[in-house]
Amino acid sequence: AQKVTQAQTEISVVEKEDVTLDCVYETRDTTYYLFWYKQPPSGELVFLIRRNSFDEQNEISGRYSWNFQKSTSSFNFTITASQVVDSAVYFCALSEAQPFQKLVFGTGTRLLVSP
Amino acid sequence: DGGITQSPKYLFRKEGQNVTLSCEQNLNHDAMYWYRQDPGQGLRLIYYSQIVNDFQKGDIAEGYSVSREKKESFPLTVTSAQKNPTAFYLCASSSGLAGATDTQYFGPGTRLTVL
Repeated sequence: AQKVTQAQTEISVVEKEDVTLDCVYETRDTTYYLFWYKQPPSGELVFLIRRNSFDEQNEISGRYSWNFQKSTSSFNFTITASQVVDSAVYFCALSEAQPFQKLVFGTGTRLLVSP
Repeated sequence: DGGITQSPKYLFRKEGQNVTLSCEQNLNHDAMYWYRQDPGQGLRLIYYSQIVNDFQKGDIAEGYSVSREKKESFPLTVTSAQKNPTAFYLCASSSGLAGATDTQYFGPGTRLTVL
């Protein structure tokens, strides 16, 4: 069975600090996809990144970076030089290849960035 | 602008009443989904539809019903059989590509409160 664990319930940082959000997953499939979504106070989930199980290259997008390590079943998300606008709940999610894209979500990490 | 709209944003229901939540998308996506989010928890799948006139139960379908008569619309009815309907409901859609190469995009959500 698939499972996603986000052990950090809430993280508080001061603006300009770097912060890493942890995500550990479980799956029996060799083909799977990992996602990160951001949920700001408005409630809508905003897609951030999708990663497939064949590609372990780290990815950087502006202040955001992702570290995917199959050896530890982790897909961690780092925000560099955090800003107040980064305050949100961040969800990690997993989907297996078949039979359809069923997303399994972690419980989310609430990030609070104070000025 | 392409996107997913949900209405209403807030909905209040008396016990024993059925209510219908609207979800419309103009992204020309084949697949649509309904999720439920409870405080401090991840999202759980209620129903999904991969194509018009077809839909499948998710993990927590009891007390809910859906229809998919048009490609762009996927309304969710919360029936009186749902024992604890107070929650935040999110609709999503994806292109419906085979396997898990797909990305789900979310609407702004409807917050349902049972009085």
